[in-house]
Amino acid sequence: NAGVTQTPKFQVLKTGQSMTLQCAQDMNHEYMSWYRQDPGMGLRLIHYSVGAGITDQGEVPNGYNVSRSTTEDFPLRLLSAAPSQTSVYFCASSYSPSGAPETQYFGPGTRLLVL
Amino acid sequence: QQQVKQSPQSLIVQKGGISIINCAYENTAFDYFPWYQQFPGKGPALLIAIRPDVSEKKEGRFTISFNKSAKQFSLHIMDSQPGDSATYFCAATYREYGGSQGNLIFGKGTKLSVKP
Repeated sequence: NAGVTQTPKFQVLKTGQSMTLQCAQDMNHEYMSWYRQDPGMGLRLIHYSVGAGITDQGEVPNGYNVSRSTTEDFPLRLLSAAPSQTSVYFCASSYSPSGAPETQYFGPGTRLLVL
Repeated sequence: QQQVKQSPQSLIVQKGGISIINCAYENTAFDYFPWYQQFPGKGPALLIAIRPDVSEKKEGRFTISFNKSAKQFSLHIMDSQPGDSATYFCAATYREYGGSQGNLIFGKGTKLSVKP
């Protein structure tokens, strides 16, 4: 199993550009989520999905869209990039929504720089 | 009430010493408390977790102590090693009525450096 994969690993955008961060998992997990990690802020939930066709907002959803057309994929779209979206983005998945007793598995992250 | 407060922000420990990271919460509905470990350039990975029906859980050199009445839990790393140098996140979650939801609420992290 590859686990949770994310592409790209690093991306530079100009303000106003759009892009999609890709996330895929091969563990047949129902629950998938996107977090952003900023220095001193921990991990903040952007959007999550409890299954194909079902998505919901997390703590910091503004400026981001998601969709879940398959169990395996959960892309994150930046509609119009802003410097405030410079961050490291992590995708995670787990068998059950709480990750308990199942673990939340995190991808390796995408480092995004918005100029 | 959804916050998990973590301290200290950074910690320097000598090799062989004990590292202690503390977390506090307000929401008494939380029923699962994991700790995640993150090495530079990597995603977080589950280290150890506890439920509030026990006061302590030990896995190797890592121990979670849980104080339900004080709404606090802590991670103890015994015989700390340079390889333990990483950022540690506490988290909490609960199952809403009907078994749905359960997003993890993370603390802000503690950067641990173990000096040789």
